[in-house]
Amino acid sequence: GENVEQHPSTLSVQEGDSAVIKCTYSDSASNYFPWYKQELGKRPQLIIDIRSNVGEKKDQRIAVTLNKTAKHFSLHITETQPEDSAVYFCAARHKEYGNKLVFGAGTILRVKS
Amino acid sequence: EPEVTQTPSHQVTQMGQEVILRCVPISNHLYFYWYRQILGQKVEFLVSFYNNEISEKSEIFDDQFSVERPDGSNFTLKIRSTKLEDSAMYFCASSDLAGVPYEQYFGPGTRLTVT
Repeated sequence: GENVEQHPSTLSVQEGDSAVIKCTYSDSASNYFPWYKQELGKRPQLIIDIRSNVGEKKDQRIAVTLNKTAKHFSLHITETQPEDSAVYFCAARHKEYGNKLVFGAGTILRVKS
Repeated sequence: EPEVTQTPSHQVTQMGQEVILRCVPISNHLYFYWYRQILGQKVEFLVSFYNNEISEKSEIFDDQFSVERPDGSNFTLKIRSTKLEDSAMYFCASSDLAGVPYEQYFGPGTRLTVT
């Protein structure tokens, strides 16, 4: 089945700097890649997603890039703010397995002010 | 903005007892899911449900687990005989198959503690 690896496990950046989180997936048939932000004790919140027919998508300070050949996708956050501090999870959906999402292990992002 | 809701927020139960976790998906959504997250670990898929039947389940979702949509709004997860290792946060999610496919919106979770 699908396996999603996520790096780094923790990331500390200075406020205003950029943060990049990377994920790789194993099954080339996966076709949808969402990113979720989870604050302590809260629900995972969908922040951005990308489908396999697109290479890049941007929404204000966050962007996601997808390299289908290398089977990896990345989350980019620019001009980080303290409220960006959270755990970020990437996920992949395999088109043959319904809408099941396989999640990465998560990245703890700390933005220092 | 409509949200997925879950009750209770925290459930404490003794090993061997049955628990039912309840979810109200977003009203026009057609696909429903349960995931769980053991403390400090990744979110794991349990089961998906569409058109009143299970569409997919993981190896975690054994005979002790069942799901039901008893009416037009609720979606429940039952664990028949809880084990210590069932302690986790359980998230319900839903997606709109007809609109923007695949986007799954999560509920606030039920923290299940088995003692």
